Amino acid sequence: GENVEQHPSTLSVQEGDSAVIKCTYSDSASNYFPWYKQELGKGPQLIIDIRSNVGEKKDQRIAVTLNKTAKHFSLHITETQPEDSAVYFCADRGSTLGRLYFGRGTQLTVWP
Amino acid sequence: DVKVTQSSRYLVKRTGEKVFLECVQDMDHENMFWYRQDPGLGLRLIYFSYDVKMKEKGDIPEGYSVSREKKERFSLILESASTNQTSMYLCASSFQGDQPQHFGDGTRLSIL
Repeated sequence: GENVEQHPSTLSVQEGDSAVIKCTYSDSASNYFPWYKQELGKGPQLIIDIRSNVGEKKDQRIAVTLNKTAKHFSLHITETQPEDSAVYFCADRGSTLGRLYFGRGTQLTVWP
Repeated sequence: DVKVTQSSRYLVKRTGEKVFLECVQDMDHENMFWYRQDPGLGLRLIYFSYDVKMKEKGDIPEGYSVSREKKERFSLILESASTNQTSMYLCASSFQGDQPQHFGDGTRLSIL
């Protein structure tokens, strides 16, 4: 089945610095790549997604890049703030309609 | 706003009990999903459903079953609870196709 690998598992940055989380996938048919943020005590919330006909997408301080040839995609957070501290999950759709395959998550801590 | 509601935030049960976890969504989504979340393992798919009375096994279906009698409700059943089923359980729903999944806030289940 599809395999999504996510790195790093933990990431600590100073407030104002940038944070980058990287994911690789195995299914070349994958064409939808969402990113979720999970705050303590809550379910994952979609923060940004990208489809395979696009190489980059930006939403304020968050951007996602996709390299289909290399089968990897990344989340970039600029000017990090303490409220960005959370667990982030990448995912892809793979070949099976509707279901997502998730990475194992990255615990991001932003120090004031 | 999409609302996915899980009936309990915390639940404590005993080994051997039959346990029901309920999930309701209010957006007329076709797809519904049950995941379990364990530290370091990310989100693992237990079962999912594309339509009423339809179900598909995910990656870890052993020891679980599901029921979808109405479009808005998806139930996860632990037939005979065991301690290794102590976990956080997350429900999600989506429209068909490349549409985002929306998550509930989870049920933290402890089996004693």
